[in-house]
Amino acid sequence: EAEVAQSPRYKITEKSQAVAFWCDPISGHATLYWYRQILGQGPELLVQFQDESVVDDSQLPKDRFSAERLKGVDSTLKIQPAELGDSAMYLCASSPHAGLEQYFGPGTRLTVT
Amino acid sequence: QKEVEQNSGPLSVPEGAIASLNCTYSDRGSQSFFWYRQYSGKSPELIMSIYSNGDKEDGRFTAQLNKASQYVSLLIRDSQPSDSATYLCAVLRGSGTYKYIFGTGTRLKVLA
Repeated sequence: EAEVAQSPRYKITEKSQAVAFWCDPISGHATLYWYRQILGQGPELLVQFQDESVVDDSQLPKDRFSAERLKGVDSTLKIQPAELGDSAMYLCASSPHAGLEQYFGPGTRLTVT
Repeated sequence: QKEVEQNSGPLSVPEGAIASLNCTYSDRGSQSFFWYRQYSGKSPELIMSIYSNGDKEDGRFTAQLNKASQYVSLLIRDSQPSDSATYLCAVLRGSGTYKYIFGTGTRLKVLA
């Protein structure tokens, strides 16, 4: 069964350090999403890609966050510098194309100390 | 007012009972609706999608959609302790980019 892959699964970093997360969507899925989920809340969209293009990054804190999907397949989300408030679960999801069901990867649990 | 609202719970039901989870949304143009199950510390898992008014059944799960009243619900029949989780409602916005808005989730506890 095809799955969304993410790494690392867990990351502990000190504030002001850089951190990066990787996502490999289900093969053939054109749309890729990065979400942040804080405990007790629903996922909040950070950035959405259609193939290699950013469709929506209105909620991405662009002073410290960046995301890319250079070849329209896998994607990287980076935080530099990390802040204490960035501690959360970072989720990647993919969809065959926008508007259809999206499937989540296992997530990366980030702790900033 | 939040775009997608859910009662945070916990909703406690005895094993074998029907669990009823509700979700309301504010954007009348919303097109598609999804239910996800999320176990503690895990990522959301898609349970069902529903696109048109009425009921949609899949095994022990039934999704119900009423666009006029702007609510969507999930019924779980013959609830099992393994159904204990947080259930997230997601709504696809009706305008602009295809953006999914999630509720905060309802925590369900099925008591053995």
